[in-house]
Amino acid sequence: DIQMTQSPSSLSASVGDRVTITCRASQSISSHLNWYQQKPGKAPKLLIFAASSLQSGASSRFSGSGSGTDFTLTISSLQPEDFATYYCQQSYRTPLTFGGGTKVEIK
Amino acid sequence: EVQLVESGGGLVQPGGSLRLSCAASGFTFSDYWMSWVRQAPGKGLEWLANIKQDGSERNYVGSVKGRFTISRDNAKNLLSLQMNSLRAEDTAVYYCYVGPTDYWGQGTLVTVSS
Repeated sequence: DIQMTQSPSSLSASVGDRVTITCRASQSISSHLNWYQQKPGKAPKLLIFAASSLQSGASSRFSGSGSGTDFTLTISSLQPEDFATYYCQQSYRTPLTFGGGTKVEIK
Repeated sequence: EVQLVESGGGLVQPGGSLRLSCAASGFTFSDYWMSWVRQAPGKGLEWLANIKQDGSERNYVGSVKGRFTISRDNAKNLLSLQMNSLRAEDTAVYYCYVGPTDYWGQGTLVTVSS
């Protein structure tokens, strides 16, 4: 199975900060990497697919980059509604594994 | 409007069985691979299984292989997950979804406890 490792597991940031979350795959997954945002008690929401494509309806504050094994989700200017947990997921090979999540909290 | 509505969750004893359903509407169900994902209380997301558009291919994560069976009925726009030999560690909210999209259900809670 492909292991997905996210870092950090949590972070504290202020409104307006630029935030970067990284995700590393245990083997190359090309650009088959998705990013989801999840708020408590809610289903995940797709932000980025294919490593860098912004999902329709997602804020342009979110951007994704990377290929192969190393990927990044960037929030350009953190807003109050962005405080949530973020997950990466590889869609290269089943089982379609998720990273452990990054919880973004208010500083 | 796309809707995925899970049902069938509840309390079951260890070793027992449960069948989850996911009723789909608002999109052409038979055009998409469908998946199940779960989330244990306070934990991260775990992908469980998916099924091809015509049901001819199914994939599972190792922790549920041989115990869980994913199936679909394209005539009824229905996705199912038959769960047998349930364990305490299967306690979670179970979501059906179409990946990678924003088409997710609201989740159904399965609790395995005596």
